[in-house]
Amino acid sequence: IAGITQAPTSQILAAGRRMTLRCTQDMRHNAMYWYRQDLGLGLRLIHYSNTAGTTGKGEVPDGYSVSRANTDDFPLTLASAVPSQTSVYFCASSPGLAGFNEQFFGPGTRLTVL
Amino acid sequence: GEDVEQSLFLSVREGDSSVINCTYTDSSSTYLYWYKQEPGAGLQLLTYIFSNMDMKQDQRLTVLLNKKDKHLSLRIADTQTGDSAIYFCAEILILVATGNNRKLIWGLGTSLAVNP
Repeated sequence: IAGITQAPTSQILAAGRRMTLRCTQDMRHNAMYWYRQDLGLGLRLIHYSNTAGTTGKGEVPDGYSVSRANTDDFPLTLASAVPSQTSVYFCASSPGLAGFNEQFFGPGTRLTVL
Repeated sequence: GEDVEQSLFLSVREGDSSVINCTYTDSSSTYLYWYKQEPGAGLQLLTYIFSNMDMKQDQRLTVLLNKKDKHLSLRIADTQTGDSAIYFCAEILILVATGNNRKLIWGLGTSLAVNP
């Protein structure tokens, strides 16, 4: 693994189903993030984690949950998917929070909820 | 409140210069960033500027920062077809957590089309 990876690449999901999007980084970054990208709305932060064991809510957290059991993994779960969650989801990581804070992005997961 | 605004589209001819503009509202930002998103990919940091600088040049890229007007621009000299992408201006504020929320502010992105 080099950098940050996401799985699956794309998924079509029936409404009401549970889905977990996976994100793994091998850079030992402390902070990780989940965004959704929608046409005309740009990037919106769903949840974030400052360090392993902690998580926080972003701008649009409703309907999503995250966990950060270790440094490398930051899965995003949709407990009961709805069509408005159709989007492209990006996971990102950064070394920390203070000062210069370059974020490294995964390739994205394209999710369609029918 | 905090907001970052960009024009949504820009079209230029190959070889010309491109200028992408961004305005922001929060003067407490220490760094301002430009990210590039190529089709079907995630974002990558293109360049950044520290708030005590007025200009930063990196090969074909020039970043100008006008703190008085809260205006940031990215100039790409000799624009190539490979520069076609969405460019995001970002102002990343780390807030002391209140109510367990934080705010990271991104522009909506400017889609740059380079015509041969």
